Amino acid sequence: EPEVTQTPSHQVTQMGQEVILRCVPISNHLYFYWYRQILGQKVEFLVSFYNNEISEKSEIFDDQFSVERPDGSNFTLKIRSTKLEDSAMYFCASSGAVSGANVLTFGAGSRLTVL
Amino acid sequence: GEDVEQSLFLSVREGDSSVINCTYTDSSSTYLYWYKQEPGAGLQLLTYIFSNMDMKQDQRLTVLLNKKDKHLSLRIADTQTGDSAIYFCAERSYNTDKLIFGTGTRLQVFP
Repeated sequence: EPEVTQTPSHQVTQMGQEVILRCVPISNHLYFYWYRQILGQKVEFLVSFYNNEISEKSEIFDDQFSVERPDGSNFTLKIRSTKLEDSAMYFCASSGAVSGANVLTFGAGSRLTVL
Repeated sequence: GEDVEQSLFLSVREGDSSVINCTYTDSSSTYLYWYKQEPGAGLQLLTYIFSNMDMKQDQRLTVLLNKKDKHLSLRIADTQTGDSAIYFCAERSYNTDKLIFGTGTRLQVFP
């Protein structure tokens, strides 16, 4: 069964450093998403991406965050200058269409720890 | 803003039915979803229901939706130890493709 792959599975970084989290969505999917879950809290929407541009973003997704699809397969989330409160599990997801139920397939997540 | 709430824990005996409850506030919800997360794995879609339905059954899973009370439940019949996981309720409004998730309910199945 096709799956969404995320790397790294766990990254530890110092506050103020840049971090790039990588995702390989399902190959024929066109819609891409990042969500995050701070330990003990809800899974929160960050951003959706379609046709090489952001289609929707949350208040969390400020100027420190950016997303990119640098080639035909990867979808990345960059955090420019990490803060302690960026520590969370980051989930990538993709879907084939937003009409109907818009079923998202999620990756296993990348755990980011900011020290 | 929209909110989705779930109880945090549920413990059931193997073979019994499990019922996981969820409440939401968005009256414009179009679809409601149940996701399962096993340790070290991503969020796996179990089932979803369109907001104009009140019930959906899929093998051992039954979803009930009370739109008036904004209450969603997931019933797992004949619960097995392999069903032990965190179950997330999520909703999507009509004018967006983002999902609003609950905190997740940790289901523990004991022999």
